[in-house]
Amino acid sequence: DGGITQSPKYLFRKEGQNVTLSCEQNLNHDAMYWYRQDPGQGLRLIYYSQIVNDFQKGDIAEGYSVSREKKESFPLTVTSAQKNPTAFYLCASTPGTTSSYNEQFFGPGTRLTVL
Amino acid sequence: AQSVAQPEDQVNVAEGNPLTVKCTYSVSGNPYLFWYVQYPNRGLQFLLKYITGDNLVKGSYGFEAEFNKSQTSFHLKKPSALVSDSALYFCAVRENTGRRALTFGSGTRLQVQP
Repeated sequence: DGGITQSPKYLFRKEGQNVTLSCEQNLNHDAMYWYRQDPGQGLRLIYYSQIVNDFQKGDIAEGYSVSREKKESFPLTVTSAQKNPTAFYLCASTPGTTSSYNEQFFGPGTRLTVL
Repeated sequence: AQSVAQPEDQVNVAEGNPLTVKCTYSVSGNPYLFWYVQYPNRGLQFLLKYITGDNLVKGSYGFEAEFNKSQTSFHLKKPSALVSDSALYFCAVRENTGRRALTFGSGTRLQVQP
């Protein structure tokens, strides 16, 4: 998981609450991604960012928001509009722009549970 | 739209035997293919990738993968399985245009019995 940290490791949310998941990388990577992992479904792309102050919706962006104010940080907010937020959330980064063919590096993940 | 299929939810193999985890893909243009491994409650670790060149790609921990363009497959292989190889394996294909994101298969759980 080296170089990418996610916190907290476990997070519990009550109905109607917004929560923010942290993702920090010290790899000097330009592009960062958020994925959601559900059992038996693989990973699905929530949001991605190619450069600072720019981000784009992925395949399942509804109920989520992000910011990219610093190159090393890409926090994800799970809003109360997300109807089924219980999942394992993974942050990833890759060097260069998204036009490169480098592999993505993943953080250790945050497991979010709605109470 | 591109897609990845991993037809086996689980693969069981005895320690010391060869293993294969299957992956087929669908993408327009040249495929850029990746294999990742995930241990319980951990992030994904990169194993290997195919971008161009030799169809047999060697990666980490003794794993290799064979790219077959005619069969649109990218199967993961290892000559001799270890108990410690037991984990969840994901195949992924990278989009060739636009956002260049990864599309993942649903994963295959590998169980290596001692």
